[in-house]
Amino acid sequence: DAKTTQPPSMDCAEGRAANLPCNHSTISGNEYVYWYRQIHSQGPQYIIHGLKNNETNEMASLIITEDRKSSTLILPHATLRDTAVYYCIVRGAGGTSYGKLTFGQGTILTVHP
Amino acid sequence: DSGVTQTPKHLITATGQRVTLRCSPRSGDLSVYWYQQSLDQGLQFLIQYYNGEERAKGNILERFSAQQFPDLHSELNLSSLELGDSALYFCASSVAGAGRINEQFFGPGTRLTVL
Repeated sequence: DAKTTQPPSMDCAEGRAANLPCNHSTISGNEYVYWYRQIHSQGPQYIIHGLKNNETNEMASLIITEDRKSSTLILPHATLRDTAVYYCIVRGAGGTSYGKLTFGQGTILTVHP
Repeated sequence: DSGVTQTPKHLITATGQRVTLRCSPRSGDLSVYWYQQSLDQGLQFLIQYYNGEERAKGNILERFSAQQFPDLHSELNLSSLELGDSALYFCASSVAGAGRINEQFFGPGTRLTVL
């Protein structure tokens, strides 16, 4: 799996957009980018994933650069409840170990009033 | 609510003992995954089952074992417990199919404390 690099922490004001970057320069052509978050001691929560096109759902948007070496998760209007650890994970969709998610250290996002 | 249930929520036991953690996946999900989260190791994949069969193994100790039953619920058995086994244990489930296999839904976890 491609290695990912995320900043250890970020701050965001409530109501503003939170933009969380992730570098994955060794990503291969069949690997997807997944984002999960974990609110204190709760089970991780799937947010969004993408292959090469930008994606949007009710929670967030995912912007993947054209060369796919980096991506940005955007929470358009952050609330206090979005304070969590955000994990960027790169995984293939097949193979003998598909489904085995590898969580790094993630980015601690703190949303403040 | 992810639809994945785990029991018990908390478990306190002594070193050397054996415990069983239980997980019920979301309705219709055939894949079940177990993860361990400790303070020093972070969130680590242990093992995956698909429709009753073991599919992938991670950093699972030999003292740990798991199985998935015909009704698709899964159990994680931890034996000869050590202080270092104290952690949060999460179960997750997903649908089958390429691309979605990594869209996993996690349960609330079982907090295991070994004294």
